[in-house]
Amino acid sequence: QQQVKQSPQSLIVQKGGIPIINCAYENTAFDYFPWYQQFPGKGPALLIAIRPDVSEKKEGRFTISFNKSAKQFSLHIMDSQPGDSATYFCAASAASNTGKLIFGQGTTLQVKP
Amino acid sequence: DGGITQSPKYLFRKEGQNVTLSCEQNLNHDAMYWYRQDPGQGLRLIYYSQIVNDFQKGDIAEGYSVSREKKESFPLTVTSAQKNPTAFYLCASRGGYTDTQYFGPGTRLTVL
Repeated sequence: QQQVKQSPQSLIVQKGGIPIINCAYENTAFDYFPWYQQFPGKGPALLIAIRPDVSEKKEGRFTISFNKSAKQFSLHIMDSQPGDSATYFCAASAASNTGKLIFGQGTTLQVKP
Repeated sequence: DGGITQSPKYLFRKEGQNVTLSCEQNLNHDAMYWYRQDPGQGLRLIYYSQIVNDFQKGDIAEGYSVSREKKESFPLTVTSAQKNPTAFYLCASRGGYTDTQYFGPGTRLTVL
């Protein structure tokens, strides 16, 4: 119930491609879904976040798509660049659960020049 | 310069020793969190604190201890009871009216 399942584990795309990372959850009490970007040896940085009342959110080249009925959400990176090569984590939390984040296992993205 | 600082960046421990990792924030955030990250895995919650002088166990608290005597500080002690402490440790904080957690740069602990 508390798990967030993320796929794929790793992803390689060419520059300009659109990598898509998927996450699924079971707990319907989750009401906040952030994505974090992490470079090797650094702490994760918030990339973009969404709540269940919207189906899509865009910030620059990053888009979250949210499907409440399927309990799935995904991250799309438009016009990907080599500098986007990093590990991406989805997460979920419930306001009723003191804001604790449940993280997916992470996706390592490599964007080839 | 606001943010979360963690020290040291690298820490080496001999078996049987306790070590303390520092986490300080000047964001005036009430809530603070400690996570552990292992290769190929997501972040797992060790302990969290929503207010000074109060903290709760996360999913993997065994072998760890914390204190929250000041709002700005949330140190984590890795005790000798933690059987596999080699990992990357991340501290985060969250303001009272937001869901967003902000992370520090991490401490990499290696047991020799």
